[in-house]
Amino acid sequence: DIQMTQSPSTLSAFVGDTVTITCRASQRISDSLAWYQQKPGKAPKVLIYRTSFLESGVPSRFSGSESGTEFTLTISSLQPDDSATYYCQQYNIYSTFGQGTKVEIK
Amino acid sequence: QVQLQESGPGLVKPSETLSLTCTVSGGSISNYYWSWIRQPPGQGLEWIASIFYTGSTNYSPSLKSRVIISVDTSKNQFSLKLSSVTASDTAVYYCARHTSLGTLFLFWGPGTLVTVSS
Repeated sequence: DIQMTQSPSTLSAFVGDTVTITCRASQRISDSLAWYQQKPGKAPKVLIYRTSFLESGVPSRFSGSESGTEFTLTISSLQPDDSATYYCQQYNIYSTFGQGTKVEIK
Repeated sequence: QVQLQESGPGLVKPSETLSLTCTVSGGSISNYYWSWIRQPPGQGLEWIASIFYTGSTNYSPSLKSRVIISVDTSKNQFSLKLSSVTASDTAVYYCARHTSLGTLFLFWGPGTLVTVSS
């Protein structure tokens, strides 16, 4: 099984801040990494796929990058609507999700 | 726009079999892979199984011994059976459609809560 280790589990920041969430894969997964946003009571929504490709309709303040087996989601100029839980997901071999990061607005 | 809707009992007794169906509307079930994913209350997401419209399947290694996924193209539906359930199987169960990139889920159902309790 491929394990995805996501950090931090929670973060709190002000509107306008830049925040980063990191996900490390237990083995190489090529660029098969996606980021999802989930709000309470809703299904997850794809933000980024193939490590850095922005899904249609997603604001450009969301971006993704990678360095080896470490992947990063960056939210620039954090907005109140960004309050949610974010998950990374590898889809290179089947599917594995990270543990999630809850983003709170101060 | 394709839409998915989960259906099935919201309460299942321990040791019994959980059965859910996902109905696809707004598009054909053909030519795509489909999956079940679950999320225990307050916890993260876990992929359970996937199926191609032809019936080809993949299962999570951790659940493989208890899971059967099937498809009914005539009804535009696919289904999940999870046997010998325990309280740890209590979760919101989602159905989802893959993209051409693989096990990447662009379209999801709203989810259905299944509680395992006597």
